[in-house]
Amino acid sequence: DTGVSQNPRHKITKRGQNVTFRCDPISEHNRLYWYRQTLGQGPEFLTYFQNEAQLEKSRLLSDRFSAERPKGSFSTLEIQRTEQGDSAMYLCASSLRIGYGYTFGSGTRLTVV
Amino acid sequence: QQQVKQSPQSLIVQKGGISIINCAYENTAFDYFPWYQQFPGKGPALLIAIRPDVSEKKEGRFTISFNKSAKQFSLHIMDSQPGDSATYFCAASDTGGGNKLTFGTGTQLKVEL
Repeated sequence: DTGVSQNPRHKITKRGQNVTFRCDPISEHNRLYWYRQTLGQGPEFLTYFQNEAQLEKSRLLSDRFSAERPKGSFSTLEIQRTEQGDSAMYLCASSLRIGYGYTFGSGTRLTVV
Repeated sequence: QQQVKQSPQSLIVQKGGISIINCAYENTAFDYFPWYQQFPGKGPALLIAIRPDVSEKKEGRFTISFNKSAKQFSLHIMDSQPGDSATYFCAASDTGGGNKLTFGTGTQLKVEL
């Protein structure tokens, strides 16, 4: 088990384009979280899944954002019609169960130009 | 509304000294308080965590002190080393609410020789 894997590590895209990020959690972890981190700030919660069910979405997650976790394994986060304000580090984390710490991936750094 | 306030924003400590970072929270439903360490270009890594039924937890050189009545908790790094230079985030979660973490704004620690 190599931890939480995120791809790509970096993404530069033009404003208005769609982007998709992938997260592969630790295999036995049934809970998967997405966070967004901007420079100099702590990570902010976006959404989380228990197995394949998306249980909560933050108000930060506008209708341009969508996340999926088919079959309760890997997850994807898609941003449609990207805006410059979407530039951030997108972090994925997984955990075995509630009340235990997360394991974060190294993140995908998105730059919208 | 910022639910977890962290201070100081930055900290310089001499090698061998004690680093102290403080956090305060507002939501009395929070019942899990982890600290994360983040190096540039990496995701946050869980360092140590505490639950409100204890007032102190120690793991190696890292100690969390927790004051439930004051709604404050702090991280103490004993015998600070240059390798400890990183950004530290406190966080809190309500495990009954999905275990999503609310992070502080981070403390950039530099340990000088």
